[in-house]
Amino acid sequence: NAGVTQTPKFQVLKTGQSMTLQCAQDMNHNSMYWYRQDPGMGLRLIYYSASEGTTDKGEVPNGYNVSRLNKREFSLRLESAAPSQTSVYFCARERMSNYGYTFGSGTRLTVV
Amino acid sequence: GESVGLHLPTLSVQEGDNSIINCAYSNSASDYFIWYKQESGKGPQFIIDIRSNMDKRQGQRVTVLLNKTVKHLSLQIAATQPGDSAVYFCAENPARVSGTYKYIFGTGTRLKVLA
Repeated sequence: NAGVTQTPKFQVLKTGQSMTLQCAQDMNHNSMYWYRQDPGMGLRLIYYSASEGTTDKGEVPNGYNVSRLNKREFSLRLESAAPSQTSVYFCARERMSNYGYTFGSGTRLTVV
Repeated sequence: GESVGLHLPTLSVQEGDNSIINCAYSNSASDYFIWYKQESGKGPQFIIDIRSNMDKRQGQRVTVLLNKTVKHLSLQIAATQPGDSAVYFCAENPARVSGTYKYIFGTGTRLKVLA
């Protein structure tokens, strides 16, 4: 998924541990997004950023924080991981046409 | 990647046949719709889009149909190939808020192509 780079690709955490998921875009789009994907459910929006320095809550923000320090990077932080946060996390930016998203390849997180 | 596909409806299609994947959307005010393809272990990939003022749009081997009366979208894939095996889901855009698009995503359908 050229255009959005996510690291790491896989991670296992113990309950209570913290970590930051990194995301970087290759363009200068204003808007970036963090979604989680769980079995049997559609992608759910965690946080989004309409521009550098601004962030807003999405549908499921509890337990997460985000940082948009510059236009390219948008990170997602789990301060105290819980098993309910086991999921696949996707970062996205708007497509070049400004309609729809370009997604990263995802971070598969397991909290034990 | 496979865990994402658990509990999804599955459509099995013979290679070379046409596939039709359906999606019901929720908001009659949505003005833009997208179909995504997600292969195992990968992020969703844009396939085709359609605006609410259209009923049909064609791409390469794919056609999207929009029926606003019953809030229904369909994705038709012609001459289905093994590489089409994936999870397909639709997304609708109810509104642009604060300079961003906040799409609502469907749960998806798994397409299995039989040799």
